[in-house]
Amino acid sequence: GAVVSQHPSRVICKSGTSVKIECRSLDFQATTMFWYRQFPKKSLMLMATSNEGSKATYEQGVEKDKFLINHASLTLSTLTVTSAHPEDSSFYICSAGGGALNEQFFGPGTRLTVL
Amino acid sequence: TQLLEQSPQFLSIQEGENLTVYCNSSSVFSSLQWYRQEPGEGPVLLVTVVTGGEVKKLKRLTFQFGDARKDSSLHITAAQPGDTGLYLCAGEGDYKLSFGAGTTVTVRA
Repeated sequence: GAVVSQHPSRVICKSGTSVKIECRSLDFQATTMFWYRQFPKKSLMLMATSNEGSKATYEQGVEKDKFLINHASLTLSTLTVTSAHPEDSSFYICSAGGGALNEQFFGPGTRLTVL
Repeated sequence: TQLLEQSPQFLSIQEGENLTVYCNSSSVFSSLQWYRQEPGEGPVLLVTVVTGGEVKKLKRLTFQFGDARKDSSLHITAAQPGDTGLYLCAGEGDYKLSFGAGTTVTVRA
């Protein structure tokens, strides 16, 4: 399968700061990337769909001004958690779409802890 | 609201035993994907099923897609400790994935 990387893998920040997470597709070009959030022992919840060169599409209940998404190239999408609060602490996972059967290939995730 | 229901939620078996995980929905999906996720890692794609009634085998894993493309099952034969993980099914529709709640499988040595 395709390789997707995320950086950083772990981040701890103070409340009120902003954190940027990068998602890169390493061996293919992804016109569409997806951002998910996962709580402990829970499933993945889609936050937004990121389309290269256009605005992201956010799922209901996800604040677009809180979670800024930029998809500037076919291999890079970024998620910025602005003014982070402890309730934003979570495991954030990105995926890149592009398989022949619309498969998604997931990054290794980023563990965000907001103090 | 989860469109996909997985059962059981937890499964703990002895090495060498068989297990089956079910994924059910009232919705029809263009395709259905099964993933396995280990703690602190992203999900890894195991298989994609597309055709109603399709059966795919991946070594000791057998995946079935229901005739109506609403449900699926994952069967593992002679489970090994390395099969331990969170198994997730995901239905594809409108170019998005809807995930089931997951089944945590523990295989004891």
